[in-house]
Amino acid sequence: AQSVTQPDIHITVSEGASLELRCNYSYGATPYLFWYVQSPGQGLQLLLKYFSGDTLVQGIKGFEAEFKRSQSSFNLRKPSVHWSDAAEYFCAVGATNNNDMRFGAGTRLTVKP
Amino acid sequence: EAQVTQNPRYLITVTGKKLTVTCSQNMNHEYMSWYRQDPGLGLRQIYYSMNVEVTDKGDVPEGYKVSRKEKRNFPLILESPSPNQTSLYFCASSLWAPTSGRPGTQYFGPGTRLLVL
Repeated sequence: AQSVTQPDIHITVSEGASLELRCNYSYGATPYLFWYVQSPGQGLQLLLKYFSGDTLVQGIKGFEAEFKRSQSSFNLRKPSVHWSDAAEYFCAVGATNNNDMRFGAGTRLTVKP
Repeated sequence: EAQVTQNPRYLITVTGKKLTVTCSQNMNHEYMSWYRQDPGLGLRQIYYSMNVEVTDKGDVPEGYKVSRKEKRNFPLILESPSPNQTSLYFCASSLWAPTSGRPGTQYFGPGTRLLVL
């Protein structure tokens, strides 16, 4: 079965600084990769997904992620963080031919003024 | 508006008192799923359903039941809740297109916070 590791439990960045959240996956076949964001008291919202094609994926709210098969990674980036980006971010991996999805433990982002 | 709804949003109960958390989606999705979210563990799947009358266990099914009598609804039942089921629960739904080989993007409800005393 597939699995996901998010090495950073908590990250703090200053407003306006760049951001990179790490995600490593384990799956023997073609992975289907997702990033979700969970704002305080809210459900999960899809930021972006990778199924195939261009390895640099653009999402909502100015986020992007790059799929690197050689590193089994799907890191999320944003060039300039806004205070409203403070939230918890989850990476997830889906499998071929089923809807089974595995989530990482999440990375909590704090944004300093 | 396309959405997944859950009720109740907050629930405090006592050990052993049966409860049901409802989940409904208006997107005609085949696939529905229940997750629990615990600090440091992310989301873990409890049960899922590929379509009406088709359900299967996820990673942490013990102590839970589900049913899928209608396409839009997927209630989660705790027959005899225990304190270790205190958690934040999410329902999700997605399209399921097995011929594509690709998973559907899952859409999540707002969550139900459960406290079992």
